Amino acid sequence: NAGVMQNPRHLVRRRGQEARLRCSPMKGHSHVYWYRQLPEEGLKFMVYLQKENIIDESGMPKERFSAEFPKEGPSILRIQQVVRGDSAAYFCASSTRDSSNTEAFFGQGTRLTVV
Amino acid sequence: DAKTTQPTSMDCAEGRAANLPCNHSTISGNEYVYWYRQIHSQGPQYIIHGLKNNETNEMASLIITEDRKSSTLILPHATLRDTAVYYCIVRAPWDSNYQLIWGAGTKLIIKP
Repeated sequence: NAGVMQNPRHLVRRRGQEARLRCSPMKGHSHVYWYRQLPEEGLKFMVYLQKENIIDESGMPKERFSAEFPKEGPSILRIQQVVRGDSAAYFCASSTRDSSNTEAFFGQGTRLTVV
Repeated sequence: DAKTTQPTSMDCAEGRAANLPCNHSTISGNEYVYWYRQIHSQGPQYIIHGLKNNETNEMASLIITEDRKSSTLILPHATLRDTAVYYCIVRAPWDSNYQLIWGAGTKLIIKP
């Protein structure tokens, strides 16, 4: 059973370009979470999705960022018109359901560098 | 703000027990203590969790003080591969996975 798969592992974008980060959850997992991590800091929640639904996006910046989790295919975190401050590691996690009795399994992350 | 405080960094000799402390003085009666670790360039990995009793699994032991205001994660025989940032998180049973508040953690360096 493959774990949470994120791609690409590393992404370099010039300022103003778009970044698309993909997350394929573990088999059987229908809950996906996206986090951002700056160097030397803990994870910061961005958005929580279920299939075709955004459940909570309170951690997402209001502009330029969007996320989706379609019925088929991976979850996508999209950052438009990237700026240097978007450079960070972005992690995706998935779980079978959202409760304290289930663990969220994390992917290896995508490291975005904006030049 | 994180509900826990941890030392910024610690060293431990390979083969020895690594004891990582965590203070959670404002923990409420129904909140669990969770530990995760993050090896460099990887996603966080669940280690162990407990409520008030000490817990042990194949990775580590968790010792929670009787007043529950602090806990210690014990890696009994640390190896170089245990070098990572260790996060201590308190979590209520109804907290969603995404409501976890991640502090800066403890950077544990295992030395040969």
